[in-house]
Amino acid sequence: DGGITQSPKYLFRKEGQNVTLSCEQNLNHDAMYWYRQDPGQGLRLIYYSQIVNDFQKGDIAEGYSVSREKKESFPLTVTSAQKNPTAFYLCASSIIPGTRSGANVLTFGAGSRLTVL
Amino acid sequence: AQTVTQSQPEMSVQEAETVTLSCTYDTSESNYYLFWYKQPPSRQMILVIRQEAYKQQNATENRFSVNFQKAAKSFSLKISDSQLGDTAMYFCAFMFPNFGNEKLTFGTGTRLTIIP
Repeated sequence: DGGITQSPKYLFRKEGQNVTLSCEQNLNHDAMYWYRQDPGQGLRLIYYSQIVNDFQKGDIAEGYSVSREKKESFPLTVTSAQKNPTAFYLCASSIIPGTRSGANVLTFGAGSRLTVL
Repeated sequence: AQTVTQSQPEMSVQEAETVTLSCTYDTSESNYYLFWYKQPPSRQMILVIRQEAYKQQNATENRFSVNFQKAAKSFSLKISDSQLGDTAMYFCAFMFPNFGNEKLTFGTGTRLTIIP
C-alpha cells in the first residue's frame, strides 16, 4: 500500500544534540512538507520542497534543516540551535498543487514525537 | 499573509446529534482552497472535506458537509448523525494556489468529543 513512513515514532534527545527525523513516501508525490504541532497552536510549517534538490523555508525554519536528494525522501534535522524542540512532527506529501485533479490535498505520515531531556 | 481562526477550542455533543464547527479565514485572494482535517487520538491526520473557492456549491462527503460563505470568509463544518469515531481534533486549513509556493495554513483546532 502507498503511504508515508515516518521514523522513529518516539525520539529522545539530550540538549545540544542534533537529531534527524526520517520521512519516506511511495506515492510518487512531488511535494513534501514538514509541520510541527504543539498543544493549542495547530500545525506550523517548517520546510517544504516541490522538487528534488530544492526546498523553501516555512514559517518556523530557524533551528531546522532539510535535504531533498531523492523524490521519495525528505529528512528533517533538528539542530542544537532549536531552542524548544520538544514537539510532535508531521511529514506530508502531495501532487504538485494546481497541476491536476486531486492536487492540493496533503497526505500525512503518522508523526514523530521528539522529547528533549 | 493568510490566517485561519477556529474560535471553539473544545466542543462536545451526544452521539447521533448534529454539530457544527466554526472556521473563519482572512485573505485578499479570490481563488483558493479550504480543507477540514481530522486528527483522532492516533494522531494520524485525515482529510475530511475540501472546498474550492470558485465553486459556489458547498462540498459534502457522506455525513460531513460545509457551509462556505465566501463574502464572510467563513467555512464551517457540519457533522450529522455524529458517531463515537468522530471524536478527534478538527483542523481548518487554507491553501492559496501560488505555483511553486503553495503552503497549507492551519487553524489551532477544535477538540470534538462525542458522548455515548
